[in-house]
Parts: sequence; C-alpha cells; structure tokens
Amino acid sequence: KQEVTQIPAALSVPEGENLVLNCSFTDSAIYNLQWFRQDPGKGLTSLLLIQSSQREQTSGRLNASLDKSSGRSTLYIAASQPGDSATYLCAVNNYGQNFVFGPGTRLSVLP
Amino acid sequence: DGGITQSPKYLFRKEGQNVTLSCEQNLNHDAMYWYRQDPGQGLRLIYYSQIVNDFQKGDIAEGYSVSREKKESFPLTVTSAQKNPTAFYLCASGGNVNTGELFFGEGSRLTVL
Repeated sequence: KQEVTQIPAALSVPEGENLVLNCSFTDSAIYNLQWFRQDPGKGLTSLLLIQSSQREQTSGRLNASLDKSSGRSTLYIAASQPGDSATYLCAVNNYGQNFVFGPGTRLSVLP
Repeated sequence: DGGITQSPKYLFRKEGQNVTLSCEQNLNHDAMYWYRQDPGQGLRLIYYSQIVNDFQKGDIAEGYSVSREKKESFPLTVTSAQKNPTAFYLCASGGNVNTGELFFGEGSRLTVL
C-alpha cells in the first residue's frame, strides 16, 4: 500500500530565503505526483503536476522535481514571501485513480 | 467561471440527523471524489466516482453515502451511523484518467452538536 510522508512537518523562515520541501513515497508505480497549497480553512489549490515520465516542472518561483526510482519529490520555493505561508501537500496518483496524500508541511515566512 | 462549488460552507448538525453536502463542478470532469480532513491527519478518501451512475468506496466509507446521477453533481450524505462526523469535507474532480490532475472545492465544515 502506498505511503506518503513529508518532511519537515513545519518550517519557519525569514522572507527572501530559498527553501525546499520534501515528499517521499513507497511505491514507484505512479501516474504522477501533484503539489498543492492549502490556506487555513480553505480547499486545496493545485500548484504543480509532474507526470511519471517527467523530471521536473516549473511555475514562477516554484520548481518541483520527481525521482521515481528513489521515491522522492521536492518542491523548491525561491525568494520566499509572507504570502507563501500555507500548508503544502503532495499527492501521489497510483494506477487505479486513488490519490494518496502526505500529511503536509506547514510553512511560515516571516516578514 | 469554471470550478467546483461546495455548499454549505458551514453546517451544524444534531446527533442522529443525516446531512447532505453538495458538490457541483462545471469542468466537464468524469471523476469526482470526496475526502475528509481532520486536524493533524492527511486527507482520507471517502468515496469516488469515475462515471455517472457508478461510484466506489474509499478508505473510510462507513457511515457515508453518495450518488452520481449527473456528471456535474456528486452529493455526500453523512448519516447518523457515522460515529465521528465533525470534520472538514473536501470535494474534488479530475479530468483525464492518465494525467489525473485533481482540482478541489473550498470545503464544507461540519460540526455535530
């Protein structure tokens, strides 16, 4: 059964820092991996989707990489801003349409 | 405006009552999902549907029921059999089976008094 973990559970950084969030999964037979952002009391907003055949995806200050063989994905945020403060979740799409979510990393960017 | 609409945003229920949460999407997606989110826990799948008039149980389906009579709609009923229904409920939809990108609504918070 697929298991997804995220490290660290929480992270606090000063504004302007570059940072990396980690996502690990146990079963490499995946369709794709998706990163989301969740603000308190809100739904999830899709940030980046990486197909299993891709190594990375970029959107603005965000870059996500995927290494299926090692069961890892990283989300890189450049020049962090207070508005980036949120919980970031990764989800792995296994064959069969069942997404498995990680517990999330709670990010605080201090002005 | 394309997206997923969940209602109500907040709902209070007395013990023993059934409640129905609405989820509507205008993204023309085939697949729809219901998740439950509790503090300190990841999202857990309740039910999902890949096509109209068909749906499957997820990991925590006990005490819940769904229907999929229209492509756009996937309502979730929280029955009195659900022992701990207070939670944040999220509806999602996905289009292409192979790309599998998920999109979420804004969520519904259910509190049992």
